[in-house]
Amino acid sequence: ILNVEQSPQSLHVQEGDSTNFTCSFPSSNFYALHWYRWETAKSPEALFVMTLNGDEKKKGRISATLNTKEGYSYLYIKGSQPEDSATYLCAFRGVNYNTDKLIFGTGTRLQVFP
Amino acid sequence: DTGVSQDPRHKITKRGQNVTFRCDPISEHNRLYWYRQTLGQGPEFLTYFQNEAQLEKSRLLSDRFSAERPKGSFSTLEIQRTEQGDSAMYLCASSLAPGLGARWETQYFGPGTRLLVL
Repeated sequence: ILNVEQSPQSLHVQEGDSTNFTCSFPSSNFYALHWYRWETAKSPEALFVMTLNGDEKKKGRISATLNTKEGYSYLYIKGSQPEDSATYLCAFRGVNYNTDKLIFGTGTRLQVFP
Repeated sequence: DTGVSQDPRHKITKRGQNVTFRCDPISEHNRLYWYRQTLGQGPEFLTYFQNEAQLEKSRLLSDRFSAERPKGSFSTLEIQRTEQGDSAMYLCASSLAPGLGARWETQYFGPGTRLLVL
């Protein structure tokens, strides 16, 4: 059974603080790692798809890194804003060309206080 | 195109009733996925289609669940004889199948249908 874990489970920060979360996934049979942001009552929004060891991706104040050899990815938010409040999900896709399914972690719920 | 849409957004039903959910994917996407999220968990894969063919079904998808994508466009997910354990958020996503030489395609999600079985 493939296990994708995220930590912390929840996080409360003040506006302006920088923060980071961790996603751990199986280091073998890696194909891709996806990050999503899910605000309440909205659709999960795709942030990044990461495929290569050492990948670093950036979108505005949000960036992510990937280490496939040790099986982890970090998501960083610089200068958190109240609109960053959401659940951040990572999802692992393994090497199996007969399937396209994503295996999700349980998410990190971020709340940014003004 | 405004993205993946799902209908209804909320459904309350009594145990034993049948329910059906609809998903309209992004129009040019040929792959469509169903996931389910229960409280405190991440979304879990249920099934996916490429065009009208159902290519994979999870063991989570019991005999009471059936999904269709008859014309390769919208999809329906039906749950027969609902149980309280079926209460969850049902998410639909769509993507393009990776083209020649491509490694991946992003899955774009709808807002989900929240089901409550009383």
